[in-house]
Amino acid sequence: ETGVTQTPRHLVMGMTNKKSLKCEQHLGHNAMYWYKQSAKKPLELMFVYNFKEQTENNSVPSRFSPECPNSSHLFLHLHTLQPEDSALYLCASSQDRQLGGQPQHFGDGTRLSIL
Amino acid sequence: AQSVTQLDSQVPVFEEAPVELRCNYSSSVSVYLFWYVQYPNQGLQLLLKYLSGSTLVKGINGFEAEFNKSQTSFHLRKPSVHISDTAEYFCACSAGNMLTFGGGTRLMVKP
Repeated sequence: ETGVTQTPRHLVMGMTNKKSLKCEQHLGHNAMYWYKQSAKKPLELMFVYNFKEQTENNSVPSRFSPECPNSSHLFLHLHTLQPEDSALYLCASSQDRQLGGQPQHFGDGTRLSIL
Repeated sequence: AQSVTQLDSQVPVFEEAPVELRCNYSSSVSVYLFWYVQYPNQGLQLLLKYLSGSTLVKGINGFEAEFNKSQTSFHLRKPSVHISDTAEYFCACSAGNMLTFGGGTRLMVKP
């Protein structure tokens, strides 16, 4: 139990579908992150929120749309995805994005498959 | 900007043998260093971290790592591995508010 919960754990969707990934943390953290983990590739940081404000968007295509309604919840809205978007999507949280030396705590991820 | 290099993409080892997973980093400023483990179908779990002080850091599951500033390395070691240690291991470096991960090393423990 890491204190970071992601749902669903698995998702299969067609390219024209719209779905959302959810992340919730119970650690009292103020920073939340979305990562993409593809086979044979390093972890890719997608988005960062600190105190509910988006602070980083690492050139992520607009078919991925994050939402952070409060410091405990983070969503990733998906629409018209491509087959290359199939991957494990990991959510993480940390105390404060601006503090150095803070480890990130990860959820177990959502395995996304695009048909 | 910083970077992290994990020199081995896969490390096969027999059960009860010692293992070392290598990590080198590059940064123009002081860094904090981490090792994470990822078991199949799970997220990343923090194994240990170096913030300051003693260069030998002990973590969970019998792992330890040594920070070597002159060689810019943070190698992970375990004196005797178990089958259950089979997983992907990630080294990470934090400078300022940026956390950079290495490409990962798959540890495969054989009976």
